[in-house]
Amino acid sequence: NAGVTQTPKFRVLKTGQSMTLLCAQDMNHEYMYWYRQDPGMGLRLIHYSVGEGTTAKGEVPDGYNVSRLKKQNFLLGLESAAPSQTSVYFCASSYDRSWENIQYFGAGTRLSVL
Amino acid sequence: DAKTTQPNSMESNEEEPVHLPCNHSTISGTDYIHWYRQLPSQGPEYVIHGLTSNVNNRMASLAIAEDRKSSTLILHRATLRDAAVYYCILRVNTGFQKLVFGTGTRLLVSP
Repeated sequence: NAGVTQTPKFRVLKTGQSMTLLCAQDMNHEYMYWYRQDPGMGLRLIHYSVGEGTTAKGEVPDGYNVSRLKKQNFLLGLESAAPSQTSVYFCASSYDRSWENIQYFGAGTRLSVL
Repeated sequence: DAKTTQPNSMESNEEEPVHLPCNHSTISGTDYIHWYRQLPSQGPEYVIHGLTSNVNNRMASLAIAEDRKSSTLILHRATLRDAAVYYCILRVNTGFQKLVFGTGTRLLVSP
């Protein structure tokens, strides 16, 4: 019963390097989300997807790109990492219904950009 | 986005009930009240949600004021594992429904 799986769990990058964070869900959910959480703050939405092949911007999309080529996977890319992107990144998924939108979260990816 | 106000932190003793308050004075008639919690070094997890009536599940109870301007998450018997940050979130029921996290209430549970 995996739920939402994020890889990698930890990563250290140098400024200017690129990387891709992978999120996979096995619940056949339509909606997927990427959040970031900085120390002492709540989660902020980076990008989201309402279905395979679709993506949309959230609150803090600058410096990130996403892709949803398969329904079960949602990728978050950093093309040129900056120290301001040091954060913990969480992926979530949900089966959106008109009265219920429970989001299921992964365990997070802790990213440090030096 | 609809706003919620929660105390920064609360303390409890193990096996005692805990009442976590949330104010949401600008709530509209179709906004759902959701609670999530985040255990240390983990992602948030869903706790409970409601619209108007009080709700119970295996994790907690949600008491919603009659005017819906406030709600209270009730943990009937706190355990050490309940130590977490608890987020009260209004899920706006129009168009794309996103969760907007505030800073939550950090619950400390003492043995």
